[in-house]
Amino acid sequence: KQEVTQIPAALSVPEGENLVLNCSFTDSAIYNLQWFRQDPGKGLTSLLLIQSSQREQTSGRLNASLDKSSGRSTLYIAASQPGDSATYLCAVEQKGAQKLVFGQGTRLTINP
Amino acid sequence: EAQVTQNPRYLITVTGKKLTVTCSQNMNHEYMSWYRQDPGLGLRQIYYSMNVEVTDKGDVPEGYKVSRKEKRNFPLILESPSPNQTSLYFCASSLSSPSGPETQYFGPGTRLLVL
Repeated sequence: KQEVTQIPAALSVPEGENLVLNCSFTDSAIYNLQWFRQDPGKGLTSLLLIQSSQREQTSGRLNASLDKSSGRSTLYIAASQPGDSATYLCAVEQKGAQKLVFGQGTRLTINP
Repeated sequence: EAQVTQNPRYLITVTGKKLTVTCSQNMNHEYMSWYRQDPGLGLRQIYYSMNVEVTDKGDVPEGYKVSRKEKRNFPLILESPSPNQTSLYFCASSLSSPSGPETQYFGPGTRLLVL
């Protein structure tokens, strides 16, 4: 059974710092991995999707990497801003399953 | 604007009173899905649909029903709600199955409290 783990569960950093969020998964038989952002009272917003054949994706200040063989992904946020404060969720699409398997999320707080 | 809408956004009900949470997408997506989110358990899939009239169970389907009569709509039905169905519910859609390169779009969520 696929399990997705995110560490740390919560992170608080000063504005302007670069930071890394971690995601690990137990079964490397995946189609893709996605990073989502969840704001309180709102839905999930997709940030980046990495296909299993890809190593990384970039969007603005965000860069996500994927090492499928070791079951790891990282989300790098450059020059963090208070508006980046949210919960970040990692999810994998398991081969043979028509669903996303989510991690528990990392609650990120950027302090002005 | 491309979006997934859910109604209602908030709902308080009592045990046993049937309810329906609607989900609609305006992107002509084939795949739709329902998840519930609970503290400590994360998001878990309830049901999904690959296309009109094609639905299947996810990880936690007990106590729920769905239907897909039209491509744009995928309602979630609780025939006899119980307190353990108190949760935050999300509807999601994507162009094709999640194994494709397209991202999934999520609705804003429905917070349900069953007394």
